[in-house]
Amino acid sequence: DQQVKQNSPSLSVQEGRISILNCDYTNSMFDYFLWYKKYPAEGPTFLISISSIKDKNEDGRFTVFLNKSAKHLSLHIVPSQPGDSAVYFCAAKDGGATNKLIFGTGTLLAVQP
Amino acid sequence: DTGVSQNPRHKITKRGQNVTFRCDPISEHNRLYWYRQTLGQGPEFLTYFQNEAQLEKSRLLSDRFSAERPKGSFSTLEIQRTEQGDSAMYLCASSAGTSGGLADTQYFGPGTRLTVL
Repeated sequence: DQQVKQNSPSLSVQEGRISILNCDYTNSMFDYFLWYKKYPAEGPTFLISISSIKDKNEDGRFTVFLNKSAKHLSLHIVPSQPGDSAVYFCAAKDGGATNKLIFGTGTLLAVQP
Repeated sequence: DTGVSQNPRHKITKRGQNVTFRCDPISEHNRLYWYRQTLGQGPEFLTYFQNEAQLEKSRLLSDRFSAERPKGSFSTLEIQRTEQGDSAMYLCASSAGTSGGLADTQYFGPGTRLTVL
């Protein structure tokens, strides 16, 4: 059972435009969400996170929005740059003692120059 | 470089052989995690250490898998009698554990890619 879902395997956008990556979850016990970026042959790199008590968190060009009633979050990147081309993973913590992460399947973002 | 390091980066082995991977977490991080990532999937949790104590193991971690963190610093993950289905990227992550609760960020190493022939 996939508790964190990224339904778009890939996304292509033009440099300078907005990239919107989406993520849905099924477990209402999740209370903290993160986005990681992954380049080939490297480990995931932490990008931005949001607590379930907030609906928005912003860090430079990256903004994460959370809609708890819809169990949906999104990552906005604006303006998109070619260096943003990577696989983006949405992840959730279930609030248990271990804080283990439950990942989606990822979205491959390609930013065209 | 003070990030998480993993060795080896690549391992090719024959079915039935044993393999061992090493993870060196960020210095003074007391929490350490192992994940496994297969093609087209996101990383999946395998096991968690707080200092030297292994506190949680996923059902994905069959009895052929064993992990240790003997002195609360580096960790090893051993797979005995490897099978072709074990082929995957094995990722290690660490976190400080000091900020408490949910905001404790996990930082990942580059991974060890295992290929079982």
